[in-house]
Amino acid sequence: KNQVEQSPQSLIILEGKNCTLQCNYTVSPFSNLRWYKQDTGRGPVSLTIMTFSENTKSNGRYTATLDADTKQSSLHITASQLSDSASYICVVPGAGSYQLTFGKGTKLSVIP
Amino acid sequence: GAVVSQHPSWVICKSGTSVKIECRSLDFQATTMFWYRQFPKQSLMLMATSNEGSKATYEQGVEKDKFLINHASLTLSTLTVTSAHPEDSSFYICSARGTMNTEAFFGQGTRLTVV
Repeated sequence: KNQVEQSPQSLIILEGKNCTLQCNYTVSPFSNLRWYKQDTGRGPVSLTIMTFSENTKSNGRYTATLDADTKQSSLHITASQLSDSASYICVVPGAGSYQLTFGKGTKLSVIP
Repeated sequence: GAVVSQHPSWVICKSGTSVKIECRSLDFQATTMFWYRQFPKQSLMLMATSNEGSKATYEQGVEKDKFLINHASLTLSTLTVTSAHPEDSSFYICSARGTMNTEAFFGQGTRLTVV
């Protein structure tokens, strides 16, 4: 069964600090992995999409890594801001279809 | 990225009534639209997949007669929650995918509260 596991479940950090969120997946075959940011009461917004051949991809203060061998991805947030407070969801599509397997997300709280 | 607009953003209705939620792709033609439901502190759960001009494909456990999905045009899909009950209260999110891209873009979601 395709699964996406995220850790930690929740995280509280001080404004200005860095943090790293983890995602392990068992979706096979693998085509790409996506990280989304979901603010409370809003739909998910794409942060980055990583394909099989990409190891690292940055989007501003967000840097995603992918290790396709170990089936792990991480999202690193640098110099966190209060507006980074949200749920971060790791999503892996099934190949050949558009069934998305969602992780449960990591709820990040950035405090002053 | 492409824009998907969902309306309304929130709605309160009485038990037993029906509620329609619209999902529009504003700058691309959405050949496929997906409807999700998200309960508090849970991940998005796919309810159904609809292709323009075809009947929707529902996930196991989702009642097709209760959650009516119409995808009559390439820019609009609707989800109608019929005879709503308090347990239908949830956050409903649509996403849309066009023919030329593999990524699906999400609407902003609709918070449904049935009282």
